Parts: sequence; C-alpha cells; structure tokens
Amino acid sequence: GQQLNQSPQSMFIQEGEDVSMNCTSSSIFNTWLWYKQDPGEGPVLLIALYKAGELTSNGRLTAQFGITRKDSFLNISASIPSDVGIYFCAGPKTSYDKVIFGPGTSLSVIP
Amino acid sequence: DTGVSQNPRHKITKRGQNVTFRCDPISEHNRLYWYRQTLGQGPEFLTYFQNEAQLEKSRLLSDRFSAERPKGSFSTLEIQRTEQGDSAMYLCASSLAEIRRGVNSYNEQFFGPGTRLTVL
Repeated sequence: GQQLNQSPQSMFIQEGEDVSMNCTSSSIFNTWLWYKQDPGEGPVLLIALYKAGELTSNGRLTAQFGITRKDSFLNISASIPSDVGIYFCAGPKTSYDKVIFGPGTSLSVIP
Repeated sequence: DTGVSQNPRHKITKRGQNVTFRCDPISEHNRLYWYRQTLGQGPEFLTYFQNEAQLEKSRLLSDRFSAERPKGSFSTLEIQRTEQGDSAMYLCASSLAEIRRGVNSYNEQFFGPGTRLTVL
C-alpha cells in the first residue's frame, strides 16, 4: 500500500533557528498536506498543496509540492517554543479524502 | 466550543472487556472519520461515514470493532473483547464535503483530541 517516509525522525533546535523537514512517497499524490499535532491533541492542518511545484506559505511556514509529486518539504523560519510538536505529512487518496499520514517528525525547540 | 469533541479522553480497561468511545463532530459536517494512532506513528484510517452510512472500513478494523453513526450526527466506536494490541489513541475527524469544481481540493478534516485507550 501507499507509504510515506519523513525525515528527520526528530529534531532538537535552538529558538530562532530555521527548520527543514521532508516527506517522500512510494506513489504519486495529487494533494499534499502538512499537519501539526500538539501533545494530547489531534492534528491540525497547517498547509495544503495542490499542484506540482507549488510553494505555499502560512506565516513562518513554507511548504513545497515536489515536481515528481512524490515528495514535499516543510520549512519553519525563526522557530519559537510553540512550534514544538509532531509534524505529519499526509495526502488524501480517495474521493472521500481517506488520508494517509507519514510517521511524523518530532520537533523540540530549546529556549 | 464548536470543535470536534471526544469522550472519554482516557480509558483504562482490562483485557477482554468491551469499551465504547463517542465522537461529536462539528455540527453540519456530513463526513466523519475514525483513525487509530500508536506511539511514534501517524494516524491510520479505520472507517468513514457519509451522513449515517458507513462507506468504508479498513482491514485494521477487525470483527471486534464496530462503529455507528445512527442519526448522521455523533458516532460511537466499540471494541469488544479488548486486547493489549488495541492500546492506542483513537482519533475522530469530521469534514464538510463540498462539490469540487475542477482543480484538486481537500475538504479539511478537523480532528478531535482523541481517546487514549490502555488495555492492561
């Protein structure tokens, strides 16, 4: 079945640093999603990408839809403590939006 | 609060017992999803409802699992004869399905806080 891989698995960074994480897939996705999950909560959608090559920003977050449609990356600039959490790449795979999630990248920000 | 709510937030049970979780979606959302999340992994799709109709069930959903959405509003997920391997976070999400016009789009799923199940 479809499988998403994320790297790195975890990151420890200093407050103010920029962060980059990526996601690869064994199959093509027509839509890429980036979700963030805070401890004890459900995931929250950060960015949705719909077109190969598309670069989309949401505040300090920037995500890109890879040209091959098999990868995506997420950048966070000038990290702050509230950026702590797990970041999931994901993609809907059916007409009813059955979403496939990657294993996540855990981000820790050291003040 | 008009978000997705789930109850209970935590459930500890002994192996072999039955448990039931409830999800209240955002009102007027016609789609409801159940996912399961184990430690260190992303959520995995379990099942999906369009209004009151259950339209797909994952192979992850064994015969011990049953989900309902009787009036097209709240949903329940029941696990019978729980096993230790059932220990996980059970997440519910809802969305408002809209007619898509041409370009790819995604009807955003809003997730609840989850029910964490521990089977001893």
